[in-house]
Amino acid sequence: GNSVTQMEGPVTLSEEAFLTINCTYTATGYPSLFWYVQYPGEGLQLLLKATKADDKGSNKGFEATYRKETTSFHLEKGSVQVSDSAVYFCALSDPNSGTYKYIFGTGTRLKVLA
Amino acid sequence: ETGVTQSPTHLIKTRGQQVTLRCSSQSGHNTVSWYQQALGQGPQFIFQYYREEENGRGNFPPRFSGLQFPNYSSELNVNALELDDSALYLCASSTGTSGVAGGNEQFFGPGTRLTVL
Repeated sequence: GNSVTQMEGPVTLSEEAFLTINCTYTATGYPSLFWYVQYPGEGLQLLLKATKADDKGSNKGFEATYRKETTSFHLEKGSVQVSDSAVYFCALSDPNSGTYKYIFGTGTRLKVLA
Repeated sequence: ETGVTQSPTHLIKTRGQQVTLRCSSQSGHNTVSWYQQALGQGPQFIFQYYREEENGRGNFPPRFSGLQFPNYSSELNVNALELDDSALYLCASSTGTSGVAGGNEQFFGPGTRLTVL
């Protein structure tokens, strides 16, 4: 079945460091791909999305490119801030389920130190 | 435009009890999906309602049931609560299942945190 695999956390970085969080997926068809962020005690906020191969989603300095050949959607940011500390979820919208339900990865916790 | 809202914010129940969680979808959205997020895990799809009918279900037992109203708001009901039902329950609304290529974007509410003692 369809699935999303994220790198294990936690990821601890110093402020202004470069961030990469790996995400790979397994899906038949052409899913949309998403990154969500969850701050402590809160719900999910959409960070960025891509709906077809080679699309690049970007928001607040974060970027991810939909790579169909490697089935990946890695999240990157050139210079992280303490305020980026949160849990990041990669997700796909399942095109074959009839519901476009989301399938999420297990999440990667990011901690940025001042 | 009002976003997705959920109530209550927090809830504490005891094992064996029943609970109802509520969700108001975003204006213009006719589809509501429910997810369960256990501590330290990603959200898991429970079921979806489209125009008041259940439109798909994840791997959850029948004691998880739902309802969607004519105004497209929704309820999630859980009977015979178990300790493992303790989780954050997220509601997401979207514009419909027969969406544009690439699927419909879902808009999430803040969640209801359920604790079962």
